[in-house]
Amino acid sequence: SQQGEEDPQALSIQEGENATMNCSYKTSINNLQWYRQNSGRGLVHLILIRSNEREKHSGRLRVTLDTSKKSSSLLITASRAADTASYFCATEDSNYQLIWGAGTKLIIKP
Amino acid sequence: KAGVTQTPRYLIKTRGQQVTLSCSPISGHRSVSWYQQTPGQGLQFLFEYFSETQRNKGNFPGRFSGRQFSNSRSEMNVSTLELGDSALYLCASSPNPADLEAFFGQGTRLTVV
Repeated sequence: SQQGEEDPQALSIQEGENATMNCSYKTSINNLQWYRQNSGRGLVHLILIRSNEREKHSGRLRVTLDTSKKSSSLLITASRAADTASYFCATEDSNYQLIWGAGTKLIIKP
Repeated sequence: KAGVTQTPRYLIKTRGQQVTLSCSPISGHRSVSWYQQTPGQGLQFLFEYFSETQRNKGNFPGRFSGRQFSNSRSEMNVSTLELGDSALYLCASSPNPADLEAFFGQGTRLTVV
């Protein structure tokens, strides 16, 4: 079953703009991860945020976590064509298994 | 360090056949997980292996099976293929099950006709 649900399902923006994606989850978590997947390929880990953290940065990425609302957001600043991909959030269950959201498809228009 | 290697990259099979997919984890990684990804169902967990033992299994029929060898390489097998088994099969490795970051291979694209 899918724990996380990303919103929106698809997002199309102009290069240089910021992109924001959201993820909601259902149960308590220890951490939440964001991954990127280029078309039809494997997933690449972007960033992990722990339940006791509220915000984390990595380059042009900014992740926030609101455990009271059971939600997280991923912000990509100054988007580039290479950012075109699907973005997934993942949380862990008690067996350390990753449970995935449906993903947000991001398209950056040149 | 070489990444996770999955072979083959693409595969076309006929309904009723069986298929074996292979995954070589990153050197030193002993945990291997398999996922099925389809447009309709998204990423679905198949199973996880650690030290040649299956730790967890997802909600898939018994036609889906796997194993892990002493060198941590893993294979998954699907018997009596159905059209609905067409998917991207992804393998991910990590040093141990409790390690939080998973490293994914490029996947095997299976098409059942």
